[in-house]
Amino acid sequence: EVQLLESGGGLVQPGGSLRLSCAASGFTFSSSAMTWVRQAPGKGLEWVSAIKGSGGSTYYADSVKGRFTISRDNSKNTLYLQMNSLRADDTAVYYCAKLQNHGVTLDYWGPGTLVTVSS
Amino acid sequence: QTVVTQEPSLTVSPGGTVTLTCASNTGVVTSGYYPNWFQQKPGQAPRALIYSTSNKHSWTPARFSGSLLGGKAALTLSDVQPEDEAEYYCLLYYGGAQHYVFGTGTKVTVL
Repeated sequence: EVQLLESGGGLVQPGGSLRLSCAASGFTFSSSAMTWVRQAPGKGLEWVSAIKGSGGSTYYADSVKGRFTISRDNSKNTLYLQMNSLRADDTAVYYCAKLQNHGVTLDYWGPGTLVTVSS
Repeated sequence: QTVVTQEPSLTVSPGGTVTLTCASNTGVVTSGYYPNWFQQKPGQAPRALIYSTSNKHSWTPARFSGSLLGGKAALTLSDVQPEDEAEYYCLLYYGGAQHYVFGTGTKVTVL
């Protein structure tokens, strides 16, 4: 059974940093591209970032490029999102999700972790 | 900026049929955008329903189907059940830019 579990969310001040983690199980993690998606309170879904299985290629939405860094540790079956220079509009539930079919299919989602950026 | 637009809200009667659409401001949506569809209920994570335009996941009920319709991606709900009341999002893959864009979402009310 595929399981994804995010952690690391919380309250952070504007300009601060936070690192999210996503522990994966039930599938061959190193073979799967992964992605982060966020949802601001009462708003729609927004794609944030993606990374290939090897970790060699990463992709970012313009809204986070230069501030967020996606990475993975295939030995620990864990996906990360390092978030720097956080702003109030980064406040959202952050979901990690699994990609398949060369990254064009998003199949499994974690329950999400809430990040609140506020002073 | 790429914008993917969906109907804000639709209402359907139990047992009825409703079609949701997903349009891109860059032009016609084709199979090359690999449209995905997701269902999200309040307080829950999204759940995948459809991938690559019309393919169902193993858990997707048969009453959900995906297609291309009039230059847009489409999700049709047939024999709608009360539990289908939810927000539905499409996702398009823009391979040239290696970006993904979610649609604005459609709230489906079963009434």
